[in-house]
Amino acid sequence: EDKVVQSPLSLVVHEGDTVTLNCSYEVTNFRSLLWYKQEKKAPTFLFMLTSSGIEKKSGRLSSILDKKELFSILNITATQTGDSAVYLCAVEGTDSWGKLQFGAGTQVVVTP
Amino acid sequence: GAVVSQHPSRVICKSGTSVKIECRSLDFQATTMFWYRQFPKQSLMLMATSNEGSKATYEQGVEKDKFLINHASLTLSTLTVTSAHPEDSSFYICSAVGQGHEQYFGPGTRLTVT
Repeated sequence: EDKVVQSPLSLVVHEGDTVTLNCSYEVTNFRSLLWYKQEKKAPTFLFMLTSSGIEKKSGRLSSILDKKELFSILNITATQTGDSAVYLCAVEGTDSWGKLQFGAGTQVVVTP
Repeated sequence: GAVVSQHPSRVICKSGTSVKIECRSLDFQATTMFWYRQFPKQSLMLMATSNEGSKATYEQGVEKDKFLINHASLTLSTLTVTSAHPEDSSFYICSAVGQGHEQYFGPGTRLTVT
């Protein structure tokens, strides 16, 4: 059975800090790993990763995938209070096209 | 970016009644949409895959007769919760798959069954 484990479950940081979120996974015939940000409503898409070692970057957020060690990290630099959210990691297998297996999420609270 | 809408955003219904939730892809066609459910403090759980023009496929443990899915067009999928009970109260979220294979989520529908 596919499995996605995120850590930590929650963390509190001060504005300006850097946070690193972890996602480890087990999936049959890996296709992609995705990161989402969820505030009060539905998740918003951040990154889709399919290849190892290639960093994806969007502003202060970046993510990288290690397909050998089966994990991904999401980095947020110079955090702002608007970064407070639950960050979800999900994986997709080639045998289950489009079906996402989500991790439990990491709740990030950025204090002023 | 691609936009997915859901209607209603919030609904309260009495136990035993049925509720229909609509999911629309506003600026793209989606042959496949997915329905998820999220209980408080928990992650999203996939309920079913909605395919345009064919029957939905349900995940293990999801009752297909209780959660009726209809994907009538390339831009619309509906989820009907039949004979709703308080334990069906949850946040229901749909997603639609774009041409680049990325998934776009709707804003969700909060269902409360009293």
